[in-house]
Amino acid sequence: DTAVSQTPKYLVTQMGNDKSIKCEQNLGHDTMYWYKQDSKKFLKIMFSYNNKELIINETVPNRFSPKSPDKAHLNLHINSLELGDSAVYFCASSQVGVTDTQYFGPGTRLTVL
Amino acid sequence: AQSVTQPDIHITVSEGASLELRCNYSYGATPYLFWYVQSPGQGLQLLLKYFSGDTLVQGIKGFEAEFKRSQSSFNLRKPSVHWSDAAEYFCAVGAAGGFKTIFGAGTRLFVKA
Repeated sequence: DTAVSQTPKYLVTQMGNDKSIKCEQNLGHDTMYWYKQDSKKFLKIMFSYNNKELIINETVPNRFSPKSPDKAHLNLHINSLELGDSAVYFCASSQVGVTDTQYFGPGTRLTVL
Repeated sequence: AQSVTQPDIHITVSEGASLELRCNYSYGATPYLFWYVQSPGQGLQLLLKYFSGDTLVQGIKGFEAEFKRSQSSFNLRKPSVHWSDAAEYFCAVGAAGGFKTIFGAGTRLFVKA
């Protein structure tokens, strides 16, 4: 059983389009995250949600809007895609204050043409 | 400022040789320290973590790391490297009950036969 899953695994789209990436965790964790990994493998946190509430927003453009319908899901919607949005996006989850260890999904490779 | 430095962008070792990957951190509070491994096209997998107690921690796949507070370091070691260890390795630092984990830029490990 996959602990943290993301869909889709690959996403190729044109500039200006709107797209969504979905993330689900079955670990019972209360906190979920979105990270962006650029072409140089640098991993940067974008958002953190705890019990469906936004905790961290790392100066991400407004075109990125996370949504957490429940504790097990954190989706990422991106409007008006730009070339610079091309990257691998990772979802992760943790149980803050218990293990504080983040478990990562397999990633979604987004390519904007 | 909180930061994680991995001084080596890439390292090449021979199969069977020992390995040490360096990690230095800057963190205001008592740090939680992690090492993750990322195989090509995969998500991040936790190798080991340090929260408190014994400063030498054992992880999966034969890895260990030593926390040295005086040097603000958390270096990863393995006595004998296998070809399957070729991957990207990330050091990370966070705080107990915190929602933000900061990752280093990663060290790419190449293993030669």
